[in-house]
Amino acid sequence: DAGVTQSPTHLIKTRGQHVTLRCSPISGHKSVSWYQQVLGQGPQFIFQYYEKEERGRGNFPDRFSARQFPNYSSELNVNALLLGDSALYLCASSSTGLSTDTQYFGPGTRLTVL
Amino acid sequence: AQSVTQLGSHVSVSEGALVLLRCNYSSSVPPYLFWYVQYPNQGLQLLLKYTSAATLVKGINGFEAEFKKSETSFHLTKPSAHMSDAAEYFCAVSEPGGSNYKLTFGKGTLLTVNP
Repeated sequence: DAGVTQSPTHLIKTRGQHVTLRCSPISGHKSVSWYQQVLGQGPQFIFQYYEKEERGRGNFPDRFSARQFPNYSSELNVNALLLGDSALYLCASSSTGLSTDTQYFGPGTRLTVL
Repeated sequence: AQSVTQLGSHVSVSEGALVLLRCNYSSSVPPYLFWYVQYPNQGLQLLLKYTSAATLVKGINGFEAEFKKSETSFHLTKPSAHMSDAAEYFCAVSEPGGSNYKLTFGKGTLLTVNP
């Protein structure tokens, strides 16, 4: 079975631009979460979606938004990019989104903002 | 608010030696605890998790961890290190219950295995 997939693998943008990152969860998983991992740090929670509804939001500005589609895939959008947005963006899926579930992570999208 | 502290950003061991990676947590309620491993340029892979069953948890690749409530710790161990264990390890905590499944991660420990 395919794991969590993310696209693109790498992305280079300039300050002020907009970016869209995509994630496809493991088949049958209904929950998707997004994390930002800055170099040398642990991942930081951005959003969780379950059945197309936002369940949780981390301490990130409104420039960050996300949505989940009927097929449970998800997009993370970041507007007005800043240099500090350069990071590895990880998507994770789980079957129910409950705290006992295992979250399975994708390989990530490496975003570089110049 | 929950937090995780991983003591030692870099641990170096010899092949065949004991691996001990330390994790302490802060939480207002008994949490669920996880250890993930990240190989270079890859995502995170779950090694093991504690969700209020047995306090000694066995994971993949010979790793295990023990939940000690009195010490608020969840240290990761492996009796004998292998070269393939070289990677970054993250301890994470989540709060039981509720509808928001948020993992709070530590800053990570880079494990180096010397031949």
